[in-house]
Amino acid sequence: GAVVSQHPSWVICKSGTSVKIECRSLDFQATTMFWYRQFPKQSLMLMATSNEGSKATYEQGVEKDKFLINHASLTLSTLTVTSAHPEDSSFYICSASDPGRGTYEQYFGPGTRLTVT
Amino acid sequence: KNEVEQSPQNLTAQEGEFITINCSYSVGISALHWLQQHPGGGIVSLFMLSSGKKKHGRLIATINIQEKHSSLHITASHPRDSAVYICAVYNTDKLIFGTGTRLQVFP
Repeated sequence: GAVVSQHPSWVICKSGTSVKIECRSLDFQATTMFWYRQFPKQSLMLMATSNEGSKATYEQGVEKDKFLINHASLTLSTLTVTSAHPEDSSFYICSASDPGRGTYEQYFGPGTRLTVT
Repeated sequence: KNEVEQSPQNLTAQEGEFITINCSYSVGISALHWLQQHPGGGIVSLFMLSSGKKKHGRLIATINIQEKHSSLHITASHPRDSAVYICAVYNTDKLIFGTGTRLQVFP
């Protein structure tokens, strides 16, 4: 149980275009989803926390207009990188949790590698 | 100083060796997570623990809440154990990550 998927697993896009990454909880309802970014050989950096049906909470320094997060259902959250630039190239990982289960445990997706050319 | 420190940063071992990775933290936590990240990037949860010790196959994780310290042990290491091992602590509902330990096990 507690499987989280991401789609796509990798994507290449041209500078200036927008890219949408999906994060789905497959066998549980994720009231909270987290979006992380990871640069090579560095640890995960939390970008934002999203709760189903409400606006995402962004970490300091993360541009909310550039990284649009939507958590419209209990099983799906999306991250849209708008007007992508080469510096947005990174590994994006989502995780999901259901505190209603009595635990804050996060379950991680497999990640999406974004390359902006 | 990072709130979650791991040691060592890099570790090489011969197949069969016993391996220990350490994690120390300086914040209050509700639980601690050991994660494994393979070169492809996907993260696998190994353990989540808030006290004592857990064992799964060749992996053992311990935590000492009073000393704010946790260890991950791998017995009879194998090349397929080569990965980055990440310690992360739950501070309220957010995870604070250590910088990871890169393990390479050679045959």
